[in-house]
Amino acid sequence: SQQGEEDPQALSIQEGENATMNCSYKTSINNLQWYRQNSGRGLVHLILIRSNEREKHSGRLRVTLDTSKKSSSLLITASRAADTASYFCATAGGSYIPTFGRGTSLIVHP
Amino acid sequence: DGGITQSPKYLFRKEGQNVTLSCEQNLNHDAMYWYRQDPGQGLRLIYYSQIVNDFQKGDIAEGYSVSREKKESFPLTVTSAQKNPTAFYLCASSIDREGPGTEAFFGQGTRLTVV
Repeated sequence: SQQGEEDPQALSIQEGENATMNCSYKTSINNLQWYRQNSGRGLVHLILIRSNEREKHSGRLRVTLDTSKKSSSLLITASRAADTASYFCATAGGSYIPTFGRGTSLIVHP
Repeated sequence: DGGITQSPKYLFRKEGQNVTLSCEQNLNHDAMYWYRQDPGQGLRLIYYSQIVNDFQKGDIAEGYSVSREKKESFPLTVTSAQKNPTAFYLCASSIDREGPGTEAFFGQGTRLTVV
């Protein structure tokens, strides 16, 4: 079963714009992680936010977590063409096994 | 270089054959995972192992088998019982305890095609 569901499924923006992706999940979590996948490649970890945290930043990335709404968002500021990829959220409960959603496909046009 | 290596990158299987996908890590991670990725379905967990000589079924274990004889190795066998094996297979590892290192590190994947 897939825990997280990303929204939107696809996002197309111009370079320089901000990109926002959302993730909703169903059961309680210990942490939530965001990953990036370039076409045909493995996933790369971007950022982890724990259940007792509300916001984290890493470079141009900003992640928020609202455990009362069981949702998270990933904001990429000042997008670049190189940010074109699929982005996945993964939730981890008591077993700490990452459970992934279906992903958001982001296209950034130069 | 520390990392996780999957091989081969591409694999072709005939109907009725078993094939084994290799996954090796030199990160000294305790936990290792196998995921299957199909278009539009994200990643689904096949098997995972949190310690040597022990492994657990994930959500879609039917038709697959694994072993964990060494900490650094977690091979996946796709058996003839798996009726729709064509997919992209991803291996991952993590430290497997609470703390700053719980994120998963992924290999580059193996694309399996039935011919």
